[in-house]
Amino acid sequence: GMPVEQNPPALSLYEGADSGLRCNFSTTMKSVQWFQQNHRGRLITLFYLAQGTKENGRLKSTFNSKERYSTLHIKDAQLEDSGTYFCAAEVNTNTGKLTFGDGTVLTVKP
Amino acid sequence: NTKITQSPRYLILGRANKSLECEQHLGHNAMYWYKQSAEKPPELMFLYNLKQLIRNETVPSRFIPECPDSSKLLLHISAVDPEDSAVYFCASSQDSEYSGNTLYFGEGSRLIVV
Repeated sequence: GMPVEQNPPALSLYEGADSGLRCNFSTTMKSVQWFQQNHRGRLITLFYLAQGTKENGRLKSTFNSKERYSTLHIKDAQLEDSGTYFCAAEVNTNTGKLTFGDGTVLTVKP
Repeated sequence: NTKITQSPRYLILGRANKSLECEQHLGHNAMYWYKQSAEKPPELMFLYNLKQLIRNETVPSRFIPECPDSSKLLLHISAVDPEDSAVYFCASSQDSEYSGNTLYFGEGSRLIVV
C-alpha cells in the first residue's frame, strides 16, 4: 500500500467544532511533519515530531512510531483553519526526503 | 514567513528558457526544490546540503539545479513541456543530516506553460 495514508480526504466543520486528522504509515517512520496549505497556496509548517505529542494553540499533534500513525487535532475550528493539511514522514535516518500523504481538505463553515 | 523568498512568483513560458531563484535568510544548510502539480502533494525534485547535491529524484533533464552558495538555490528550466505546469516550491531546513530537521517552504513560483 501507500507508505503514507492520510484520512479523511475531505472534512467539513462548523466554526467552534473540534476534529482530528490522521496519517497511517505502512512502515516505521523516523519522524513526521504536518503542514497547512492555505487558500493562497502557502505551505505553513505546523509541527515536527520524532515522538510523542506537541501542542501549539488550538492544534495538537501526536506521533506514535511503533503503532505507525500520527494525528493532528484541531480545537475550536476557525474560518482561517480552512485549507489542505498534509502530513509528511521521513522513512530512513537523515535522508532529507519526506514522503507526503495526499492531504485532507478542510473546510470550516460559519 | 518572509525568510525564504522566491522569484519570479508567476512565470508564463512557451518553449523559452528561464530560471527560478530562491534565497533563504534562516542560516540553513539544506535547500530543496519541490514540484506541486494541481490537486497533488509536493514532490521532491532536488536536495542540496552545504552546496552539495544530495538527492536528485527522477526529474527530466530540462530541469537543472544550481546552488551558488548555501543560502541560494536556482532552478534552470529549458524547453518546457505542458506537464511542467505546476507550482515550484523552494524549501530549507537546518541540515539534511541532522535529527529534528524541520522543513520550511517559500511562497512558490507558479509556472504556466502555454
